[in-house]
Amino acid sequence: SAVISQKPSRDICQRGTSLTIQCQVDSQVTMMFWYRQQPGQSLTLIATANQGSEATYESGFVIDKFPISRPNLTFSTLTVSNMSPEDSSIYLCSVGGIQGAAGELFFGEGSRLTVL
Amino acid sequence: AQTVTQSQPEMSVQEAETVTLSCTYDTSESNYYLFWYKQPPSRQMILVIRQEAYKQQNATENRFSVNFQKAAKSFSLKISDSQLGDTAMYFCAFGPNFGNEKLTFGTGTRLTIIP
Repeated sequence: SAVISQKPSRDICQRGTSLTIQCQVDSQVTMMFWYRQQPGQSLTLIATANQGSEATYESGFVIDKFPISRPNLTFSTLTVSNMSPEDSSIYLCSVGGIQGAAGELFFGEGSRLTVL
Repeated sequence: AQTVTQSQPEMSVQEAETVTLSCTYDTSESNYYLFWYKQPPSRQMILVIRQEAYKQQNATENRFSVNFQKAAKSFSLKISDSQLGDTAMYFCAFGPNFGNEKLTFGTGTRLTIIP
């Protein structure tokens, strides 16, 4: 398994500002993903965080709005830029490729953002 | 693209009873994974049970079991002897293949266990 720590756990932000969410894993992992969970909704994949290269974004998500860094195999950040109330969501970091857990994703506790 | 459908937005059941949550999916793949994840109010997504499509035997984990019908593309979760701690959102998820953990999630079922 993997232990994933996310910071901040929650935050209240003003419209037009940006916030960076950190994700730290207790072991090296090949795959890291960022998901968004809007209030009462399911999980939507934002992007795959690639170590040493640009993230791979899903349809509807762009780098200018959600820049992602992944400097090594245990750490990633997601920035939510120029926030609006529509960005109020839970943002979840997840990892995969864990030995003995084929196909399975492990999740952090999520970061709940509220944009006023 | 794969789709996952959960047709029961909310369910409730008395403590100690059995409840079944439904999930259907659509894919053209022949080998894949299916998962049930639980998200309690604390928000931490926790894996409940997994099923590999190539296995005919239904997966079981203690009080949790699945009914996997590959031809019908159905993957239901049965919770036996339900407990208060089972109260949570339950998400069905599809995984395309080993080494590709880009899961597709259903819309979830909110399960409430009534004391």
